[in-house]
Amino acid sequence: DTGVSQNPRHKITKRGQNVTFRCDPISEHNRLYWYRQTLGQGPEFLTYFQNEAQLEKSRLLSDRFSAERPKGSFSTLEIQRTEQGDSAMYLCASSLMRRGDFTDTQYFGPGTRLTVL
Amino acid sequence: KQEVTQIPAALSVPEGENLVLNCSFTDSAIYNLQWFRQDPGKGLTSLLLIQSSQREQTSGRLNASLDKSSGRSTLYIAASQPGDSATYLCAVKVGGSSNTGKLIFGQGTTLQVKP
Repeated sequence: DTGVSQNPRHKITKRGQNVTFRCDPISEHNRLYWYRQTLGQGPEFLTYFQNEAQLEKSRLLSDRFSAERPKGSFSTLEIQRTEQGDSAMYLCASSLMRRGDFTDTQYFGPGTRLTVL
Repeated sequence: KQEVTQIPAALSVPEGENLVLNCSFTDSAIYNLQWFRQDPGKGLTSLLLIQSSQREQTSGRLNASLDKSSGRSTLYIAASQPGDSATYLCAVKVGGSSNTGKLIFGQGTTLQVKP
């Protein structure tokens, strides 16, 4: 069990550029979540995947955001035309959900800190 | 809509003190409640998870309680140490429209333990 990993750990970009983050979940985990955390706040849910299917997206996820999880393994989160308000820590979490059991524990990665200049 | 509130927002105590962090939530329909620790600029470390059917969980110097009917949880830290200095986050797990199992977080309590 190597834990959830995220890359890059830090990203500095200029306003208007596109950025992509990657999350590698714990290998057998079927659920993968993305959260965003701004300074002084708790994380906020963005979206989640059950295997390769994206099943829910928060209203926080504007059209400039897109997430994928091809083959149900790693996931990417892309932000197009970044804005200064996108500056935040982007956290990924994974869990193993068994059928009908909603007590699964989410394990978090170290996060990617995005700074938009 | 589920809302999670943590009080106080910040806390400073001398080393050795016992302390209590509070978390409240507005909707009792939760699957579980989890306490996390977050060091500055870092990710989240899970401390304790209490299932909705449970009343408390203990790990070392930490004890978390859950009163689902009143929408409250407390995290008790015994004999605090400078290494306990961090932000503590409370989160409830909710079903959502597609049984998401997403976590709704409070804003956190930033703890400073002075030597």
